[in-house]
Amino acid sequence: QSALTQPASVSGSPGQSITISCTGTSSDVGGYNYVSWYQQHPGKAPKLMIYDVSNRPSGVSNRFSGSKSGNTASLTISGLQAEDEADYYCSSYTSSILFGTGTKVTVL
Amino acid sequence: QVTLKESGPVLVKPTETLTLTCTVSGFSLSNARMGVSWIRQPPGKALEWLAHIFSNDEKSYSTSLKSRLTISKDTSKSQVVLTMTNMDPVDTATYYCARIIGDYVVDYWGQGTLVTVSS
Repeated sequence: QSALTQPASVSGSPGQSITISCTGTSSDVGGYNYVSWYQQHPGKAPKLMIYDVSNRPSGVSNRFSGSKSGNTASLTISGLQAEDEADYYCSSYTSSILFGTGTKVTVL
Repeated sequence: QVTLKESGPVLVKPTETLTLTCTVSGFSLSNARMGVSWIRQPPGKALEWLAHIFSNDEKSYSTSLKSRLTISKDTSKSQVVLTMTNMDPVDTATYYCARIIGDYVVDYWGQGTLVTVSS
């Protein structure tokens, strides 16, 4: 199975909103509401930010939100802050777990 | 407090077998609808799921690596073990173990362990 497709990079200025897409197929993203998003700072383990498409774990800022339309899921970060600069990965259930190609978010 | 910690060799030679151990605390490997996944990340590259094992001993493996992987658990020791045979330099990566719950959500991650494959 091929990895889910994400843009290599997305950037924005502090305070702006950005959206990261995650494109799969009807066998993964489109077939289940089991999409998660992870944030990874350099040299650190990933951190769960969104699960089941749009749910936030306790402790995650409400500036992070998730959605899905068809075979594409999206992560939106509103009120962009310097600390949001990191790599972001989506994942989807597909009889196992499939990760995305990763997106580097840069805060200008 | 849920924690996971990976342990194993930092350096293996090509063709050797890698054995990694994940020791968990803060939850039990017998908890219903919970399990442990192994995920790796080559330097500068994306995450790749390898395998998982659930409390009912249900196991699943990456299709591309299935022939080389074995996952098992020792509930009494709170440990999950992953073995990968015939290691190659392209297998150089940080290997993470992580808790997986219910709807295949990976909610807690270990710190990861960098494994280098080199002669």
